[in-house]
Order: sequence, then C-alpha cells, then structure tokens
Amino acid sequence: NAGVIQTPRHKVTGKGQEATLWCEPISGHSAVFWYRQTIVQGLEFLTYFRNQAPIDDSGMPKERFSAQMPNQSHSTLKIQSTQPQDSAVYLCASSYRDWGPNTGQLYFGEGSKLTVL
Amino acid sequence: QQKVQQSPESLTVSEGAMASLNCTFSDGTSNNFRWYRQHSAKGLEVLVSIFSDGEKEEGRFTAHLNRANLHVSLHIREPQPSDSAVYLCAVSTGGGSNYKLTFGKGTLLTVTP
Repeated sequence: NAGVIQTPRHKVTGKGQEATLWCEPISGHSAVFWYRQTIVQGLEFLTYFRNQAPIDDSGMPKERFSAQMPNQSHSTLKIQSTQPQDSAVYLCASSYRDWGPNTGQLYFGEGSKLTVL
Repeated sequence: QQKVQQSPESLTVSEGAMASLNCTFSDGTSNNFRWYRQHSAKGLEVLVSIFSDGEKEEGRFTAHLNRANLHVSLHIREPQPSDSAVYLCAVSTGGGSNYKLTFGKGTLLTVTP
C-alpha cells in the first residue's frame, strides 16, 4: 500500500499564474479530502468527494479555487491567478468510508507545498 | 461552526514522563475524535480514534473523551525523543451525509533525553 500520493511535493509560481495539485488516493477508498495548512490558520478544510461526487466545498474560496475528481484514482486542486496568500501546504487525504457511527480513518499524503512569489 | 482548541501550545517533558495534551470542542453533537501527529515537514500520522465517552488505548497513546465537558485528551506513556512532534486534535460530527474533520492548531511536544 503506497499511501496517498501527492504531486508535486513543491511548487513555486509567480503571482497571477495557475497552479494544479494532484492527489492519488489509496486504492479502494471512496472519500477524498483536501485541506490547506498554514502556520497562522493551521489545518483548514477545503472540500471533499465521495465516490467522485462533490459532497462539501464549504471551505473553498469561491473565486480562483476549484477541485475535481474525474475518476476514482485521482483528484486535482486548481488555483487560478495565484496570490501570495495562497502559499501553504495543501494536504490530500482519503478514507475507506465516511459514513456510519465509526467512520473510516483518514490517511493523509505528505502534502504539496505551494509558494507564490 | 465547530471550534476546536488545543492546550498547551507547547509542552516539554523528560523522556519517560507522562505527557498530557488537551482539546476542547464547541459542538456537543460531535461523535468522531481523532489524534494525529505531524513530524516536521511530514504528513499526518494517525494515533488514536475514539467515538464514545471513556478511554481508548493504542499502544502508548490513550485518549479520554468526556463529551459532556466538551473535552478530549491524549496521554502519552513513556514518551521518547522520537515522539517530539506537533500533535493535532480533530473533531467531526460524522453524521448525516457529510463528514469532515475540524482540526485544532496543535500542541508542539518536545521530549528531552
């Protein structure tokens, strides 16, 4: 089991450029989550998918951020017109299931560190 | 909106002494509680999950949950220097059709030899 795989591990973009981050969840996991981590805010929920369908995107900035899960083996987080305040570590996590009284454990990737100059 | 607060912000203990970390949450309907740790520049490692009041042990890590007091704690028995990391508390209501974790900002634990 390779765990949750995130690419790239590090990305540097200029202000105004686009950044796309990739996540490959653990095989067989039905739920995929995206979080953002900064020193000031800590870990913030962005969005999540269940069986590829978007369930909750309440944490996503309404402009410039979008997430997709075109198939069960990968999800992308796209940030358009990046700004310095988007600099953060973006973490992807997957879970075998996300419903029921004892919901599945969340397994995190090592993150993609985005730096916007 | 769920608020999760952890204390202390940082904690230094000697190797072998018990380490105790605290977490309070605001939503009394919460029913999923997880402790993770994060070594510098690494991903999150799950330590223990607890879903009902009482105690749950996973190796040297024990979680205590008291939902009436909106409090969950983590106790680390015989900590080692390799346990030095940021410890994160995560809480969810885990109900209905939506499940997402809200994290505290973490406690930085340093274990000295």
